[in-house]
Amino acid sequence: DAGVTQSPTHLIKTRGQQVTLRCSPISGHKSVSWYQQVLGQGPQFIFQYYEKEERGRGNFPDRFSARQFPNYSSELNVNALLLGDSALYLCASSFGASGITGELFFGEGSRLTVL
Amino acid sequence: SQELEQSPQSLIVQEGKNLTINCTSSKTLYGLYWYKQKYGEGLIFLMMLQKGGEEKSHEKITAKLDEKKQQSSLHITASQPSHAGTYLCGASHSGNTPLVFGKGTRLSVIA
Repeated sequence: DAGVTQSPTHLIKTRGQQVTLRCSPISGHKSVSWYQQVLGQGPQFIFQYYEKEERGRGNFPDRFSARQFPNYSSELNVNALLLGDSALYLCASSFGASGITGELFFGEGSRLTVL
Repeated sequence: SQELEQSPQSLIVQEGKNLTINCTSSKTLYGLYWYKQKYGEGLIFLMMLQKGGEEKSHEKITAKLDEKKQQSSLHITASQPSHAGTYLCGASHSGNTPLVFGKGTRLSVIA
């Protein structure tokens, strides 16, 4: 069975540009969460979606937005990129609405470099 | 201050030695999760602990939860090079809040 898949795996952008990251959850999982992991730090929660609705939002600026599609895949958008947005962006899926029912299953991440 | 403190930050052990990593929460724990991460890759789920005194093992890795101390420990017995990586603890403080992670403990295993 396929795990959580993320694309692209690596990308380089310049300041001020916009980026879209994509995530496909494990089949049957209805909840998707996004985390940002800066080098040397633990993952920081950005968003959680369940059944296409936002269920949680972390302490990130409005430049960050996300959505979930009817097939439960998700996109994370970041506008007006800053150097500090350089990080590994992780997507995690779970079956339940809370996002923490059982364990979160993480993808391999999308590594974003902003120059 | 960090909500979840992990110690040590990094650890170098000789192959075959035992080691312990600790994770302490400043808030009441609802659930405590341990993950392993290879450099630049996703997180691999190891174990989840919810009840005080609970102890779980998988192969040579054992995790315990001390609810009174709001602390968990991860113990690796007879470490192997395959154990190398960063170990992250994640905590939930209620049934509907996202996981909060510590900064991780980087483990190196040398021959």
